[in-house]
Amino acid sequence: DAKTTQPPSMDCAEGRAANLPCNHSTISGNEYVYWYRQIHSQGPQYIIHGLKNNETNEMASLIITEDRKSSTLILPHATLRDTAVYYCIVRVTNSGNTPLVFGKGTRLSVIA
Amino acid sequence: EPEVTQTPSHQVTQMGQEVILRCVPISNHLYFYWYRQILGQKVEFLVSFYNNEISEKSEIFDDQFSVERPDGSNFTLKIRSTKLEDSAMYFCASSLRTTGAKNIQYFGAGTRLSVL
Repeated sequence: DAKTTQPPSMDCAEGRAANLPCNHSTISGNEYVYWYRQIHSQGPQYIIHGLKNNETNEMASLIITEDRKSSTLILPHATLRDTAVYYCIVRVTNSGNTPLVFGKGTRLSVIA
Repeated sequence: EPEVTQTPSHQVTQMGQEVILRCVPISNHLYFYWYRQILGQKVEFLVSFYNNEISEKSEIFDDQFSVERPDGSNFTLKIRSTKLEDSAMYFCASSLRTTGAKNIQYFGAGTRLSVL
């Protein structure tokens, strides 16, 4: 089972920041936090990941609390194309083939 | 940008028939995976593959399923005798063999399998 808890759905106005929370209170020291998204029934798309420091790339920012028990994915300027299901996944990465365990994710609706 | 390619995009088959789903992983990747998603449900792991053998498999991946890397580019999933409950989207993924933070799985667009 997934080790994360996410709200089932969220709305965001177009152009505003979307802040998607995730709880992972049982995360282990060697587990990373990964975020993927799935638009309609397309394949999951990698967004960002981190261990304990905040991370930023061209798609999003990831804020991880100091105790690592929760994190927030930030889409700084949401567009209609960001409407998707967002998955927060914790995963050990000291092995090359650890499978991803998907939960139900958060369905983000970006509204014009 | 390199991507994982899956064919066909939609496969329709009769119950009891064999199907082969095909994937071309990203060229320098060494780890390969199959996942499936039944309509309206979660994405589920099926199997991972490295160095021409199965690394890990889930309970879903029973004797009706098999995987193969027949040449240097293709990675296939075979279902020997399809059942109605095999109807799902099947996603192939690949990752570069590294340890630590750079181990990212990239997914294809999927094959929709419809068993009639």
